[in-house]
Amino acid sequence: DIVMTQSPLSLRVSPGEAASISCTSSESVMGSQGYSYLGWYVKKPGQPPQLLIYLSSSRASGVPDRFTGSGSGTEFTLKISSIEAEDAGIYYCMQVRQTPFTLGAGTKVEIK
Amino acid sequence: QITLKESGPTLVKPAETLTLTCTISGFSLTTSGVAVGWFRQPPGRALEWLALIYWSDDRRHLKSTLTVAKDTSKNQVVLTMTNLDPVDTATYYCAHMSSTHTTGYFDFWGQGIPVTVSS
Repeated sequence: DIVMTQSPLSLRVSPGEAASISCTSSESVMGSQGYSYLGWYVKKPGQPPQLLIYLSSSRASGVPDRFTGSGSGTEFTLKISSIEAEDAGIYYCMQVRQTPFTLGAGTKVEIK
Repeated sequence: QITLKESGPTLVKPAETLTLTCTISGFSLTTSGVAVGWFRQPPGRALEWLALIYWSDDRRHLKSTLTVAKDTSKNQVVLTMTNLDPVDTATYYCAHMSSTHTTGYFDFWGQGIPVTVSS
């Protein structure tokens, strides 16, 4: 199974500041056509997970452009520029390169 | 408009079998590139992927106590978990997956159903 490791596990950020979350996979999640099958999701209390980024860097429909995903192969980053109060939640990376699909432990983002 | 809704028992006894149903609308599980997945989140713990069924009826699951099946005539996907344990207490979610070479994501989710395993 591919192990996903996120860091940091928690983050406290003031509104307007930037935040960065790293995700590393134990083996490459790149497919034969060069895409990295890595997505980012956010889970807020009482809500289902929400897709933010897919294929490492493609922003999902309706996601604000302050969310940016980057990386390929085994190293990935989610950056939130100018964080807002509504961005509080737990952020997960998930690989869908092969089953079992696996997720990181989550990064809890709190707004000061 | 794509929607998914989980249904089933919210209290189950240890060693029993849990059957959860995901009723879908706005898409068809016969369409190429479509799949439905199941996830769960135990209280205070991380999200975990459990199972997936593709439009082709290809099925994948995390462990042997899980099975997943679809009934396209009813627009339903059913997850079955046998031999439940209190550690299986969690909120269970089903989600629509777009699964092609240029996608690979879960973009629509049900609201989730809380399940408690307790005697």
